[in-house]
Amino acid sequence: SAVISQKPSRDICQRGTSLTIQCQVDSQVTMMFWYRQQPGQSLTLIATANQGSEATYESGFVIDKFPISRPNLTFSTLTVSNMSPEDSSIYLCSVGAVVLKNYGYTFGSGTRLTVV
Amino acid sequence: QQQVKQSPQSLIVQKGGISIINCAYENTAFDYFPWYQQFPGKGPALLIAIRPDVSEKKEGRFTISFNKSAKQFSLHIMDSQPGDSATYFCAAATSGSARQLTFGSGTQLTVLP
Repeated sequence: SAVISQKPSRDICQRGTSLTIQCQVDSQVTMMFWYRQQPGQSLTLIATANQGSEATYESGFVIDKFPISRPNLTFSTLTVSNMSPEDSSIYLCSVGAVVLKNYGYTFGSGTRLTVV
Repeated sequence: QQQVKQSPQSLIVQKGGISIINCAYENTAFDYFPWYQQFPGKGPALLIAIRPDVSEKKEGRFTISFNKSAKQFSLHIMDSQPGDSATYFCAAATSGSARQLTFGSGTQLTVLP
């Protein structure tokens, strides 16, 4: 399965600022996703990062708040803009691949964000 | 709308016992059902997955049971060990072009020594 490097692993940010999270994959992947995991909660899909086009956002998430880039098949960034304490969460990058008709989804170790 | 319902929210099992976590889904288009294990400070890691054309899949101490007619699937951990203490998530995905995972709410498993 793919190996994902996610940076930073954690950060403490002031409200009103922005943080960009990087996701680097060791192989080319078609499917790339960004999730949010609030403390003690499940994972919620923010958006699907599409190579060469705008990301596809889930209900409740908008591009102005969570702009995403995906310049190639191995890299993506998620920016959390104009942060408030409610944005304190773990943000996870995930990639998917289809191997022999089985789907394999791999997750990065996450970015633990605290907004003060 | 919660498309994958998971229970129980927390589970305490003695070492050597069987841990059972259940999930139910609503979307009949789902055709891929993985289970993930997450330790504190780590991202979820794939444990085992099943497709609806089989009723059971076993890998080591982990077994998925799948009931297509009831739209339910469960994870059984045999001979549970303290190292199995983690949060477990069931998930589901479709074969559509997006293929995003929809997660259950999670089960915090504690295995007592």
